[in-house]
Amino acid sequence: RKEVEQDPGPFNVPEGATVAFNCTYSNSASQSFFWYRQDCRKEPKLLMSVYSSGNEDGRFTAQLNRASQYISLLIRDSKLSDSATYLCVPFRAGGSYIPTFGRGTSLIVHP
Amino acid sequence: DAGITQSPRHKVTETGTPVTLRCHQTENHRYMYWYRQDPGHGLRLIHYSYGVKDTDKGEVSDGYSVSRSKTEDFLLTLESATSSQTSVYFCAIESSGNTIYFGEGSWLTVV
Repeated sequence: RKEVEQDPGPFNVPEGATVAFNCTYSNSASQSFFWYRQDCRKEPKLLMSVYSSGNEDGRFTAQLNRASQYISLLIRDSKLSDSATYLCVPFRAGGSYIPTFGRGTSLIVHP
Repeated sequence: DAGITQSPRHKVTETGTPVTLRCHQTENHRYMYWYRQDPGHGLRLIHYSYGVKDTDKGEVSDGYSVSRSKTEDFLLTLESATSSQTSVYFCAIESSGNTIYFGEGSWLTVV
């Protein structure tokens, strides 16, 4: 099983919609999680960090479900500018840890 | 801004030639990473470094070597470039809070 799995999408939603996508992780020792946003032909940029059960930043909410080993990203009131690929990466302490990113979920917000 | 600079940003080279990509950081972070990103594969780790002269392989290290003689510079070398190494290469650092920050990417085309 891959360490991180994401539905590649694309998720096509109209402006103003609420959309959510999940990231599942295989290592139960993962302690914190990060969501990144990547625009076409750009580098991934940090969107949100999650160190406990969840985090909220404006229209963006991340929820962690440790029992089922997934983290979700909810985007409310979608904007055209939210169109991007969203990547997740879990973190755990330990010398053997290497940051492994999911393939990302593509979001397309249309008028 | 995590102070990461990649060079060159774009390069076209011929098959069989050596190529070196440079990643420079200004904030003395210990961990540095080289990823490549290709359609359908997401970000894949090539090599990483956990200190000066301390490096290790990632999941796609064949055909690549790295060196880190100074804290601020992490070099990725393709000894003999092949067309399969046409890709975008991202350097990254691990900052406080275990957050990964990326450089702007180096687009390499091997013809």
